[in-house]
Amino acid sequence: EADIYQTPRYLVIGTGKKITLECSQTMGHDKMYWYQQDPGMELHLIHYSYGVNSTEKGDLSSESTVSRIRTEHFPLTLESARPSHTSQYLCASSEGRVYEQYFGPGTRLTVT
Amino acid sequence: AQSVTQLDSHVSVSEGTPVLLRCNYSSSYSPSLFWYVQHPNKGLQLLLKYTSAATLVKGINGFEAEFKKSETSFHLTKPSAHMSDAAEYFCVVSEVGTYKYIFGTGTRLKVLA
Repeated sequence: EADIYQTPRYLVIGTGKKITLECSQTMGHDKMYWYQQDPGMELHLIHYSYGVNSTEKGDLSSESTVSRIRTEHFPLTLESARPSHTSQYLCASSEGRVYEQYFGPGTRLTVT
Repeated sequence: AQSVTQLDSHVSVSEGTPVLLRCNYSSSYSPSLFWYVQHPNKGLQLLLKYTSAATLVKGINGFEAEFKKSETSFHLTKPSAHMSDAAEYFCVVSEVGTYKYIFGTGTRLKVLA
């Protein structure tokens, strides 16, 4: 049973607000990822981390930032939310060279 | 460069009939391949994975997939569909030693009563 948590599950917020999406895993995995997924579409990698104090941008340009101060925690922050940020955000973790990713339930963000 | 193509965006089957979801991949090196399922408003759940062991891979809920290097395919099958199988399915490719997991565009499976 994978233990990876995301909060909030749903968020409706006005333009210009700062938001932080939380992601935590209790499996001790070294790698963590953030994906953006529009309804009915594929996942696009926006950030990833190999371990503590290691973060990189993914293939999809994003105005968000991430931090990895603790192994289990990988929050994503939007300094100023815009309607174009409306999407589902999925957090995942993995261990080892290439092993399966474990996904959280996602945060569905709506910016009005 | 890696890529993955899911050949059908939508598949409809009747309950109790076989399921076939098609996936072709492109990879320069030995790939790892995965199938994930996503139910509405949920995260992705791993169905099965291929990591250079047996070419026929069995997964959860009766699904299986066969890695065919000559055809660069990794199709997902199930002998008998159940209503609870209705969901979005993603084929994913990755290469050993990389951080990248490349997702297909997904196949929405509909199961008719």
